Amino acid sequence: TQLLEQSPQFLSIQEGENLTVYCNSSSVFSSLQWYRQEPGEGPVLLVTVVTGGEVKKLKRLTFQFGDARKDSSLHITAAQPGDTGLYLCAAIKQGAQKLVFGQGTRLTINP
Amino acid sequence: NAGVTQTPKFQVLKTGQSMTLQCAQDMNHEYMSWYRQDPGMGLRLIHYSVGAGITDQGEVPNGYNVSRSTTEDFPLRLLSAAPSQTSVYFCASSLTSSYTDTQYFGPGTRLTVL
Repeated sequence: TQLLEQSPQFLSIQEGENLTVYCNSSSVFSSLQWYRQEPGEGPVLLVTVVTGGEVKKLKRLTFQFGDARKDSSLHITAAQPGDTGLYLCAAIKQGAQKLVFGQGTRLTINP
Repeated sequence: NAGVTQTPKFQVLKTGQSMTLQCAQDMNHEYMSWYRQDPGMGLRLIHYSVGAGITDQGEVPNGYNVSRSTTEDFPLRLLSAAPSQTSVYFCASSLTSSYTDTQYFGPGTRLTVL
């Protein structure tokens, strides 16, 4: 059983469309991170959210941490082919030192 | 700064063979960790270290050993390779174990066990 459930697992859309991917859990987290991974490379951190209800923006990407700190979403506006990749959420449970990952959302943006 | 480096990039082993995956970082980070990535599973934590001389188990430690004799290096040893250990292995480091610190990942080692 995955501690962090990401949905959808696969998403293929056309350039210019908007999309949202989700990261859900029944556990409460101290913080939640989103990473992006390209083929043949390691994940690269996009953002860390630590406060319930927090919203962070990174150009066309908007990240939100749920009020109860159990879930998060990533919204991309006007997707571009360069957004293609594997998006991973990761979190540390309260009181723990271990970072756990969701299974990822593989995003393909078609020109 | 080279960041986090891993060697080798690719490796093929036969069942029962042993090997060491190397990981080094030049950022003076206290926290280092090893993950394996399998299709549809995300990354799963194998072992981690909060500083030289200190290591602990992650989610999937069986079949793997680690040691941390220096701040820079964190090798992962496969004692007797099994086909179930076929995976892509990533090493990561961060300044401390704080949940707000950025984790930097290496480029990965793709391991196949026949």
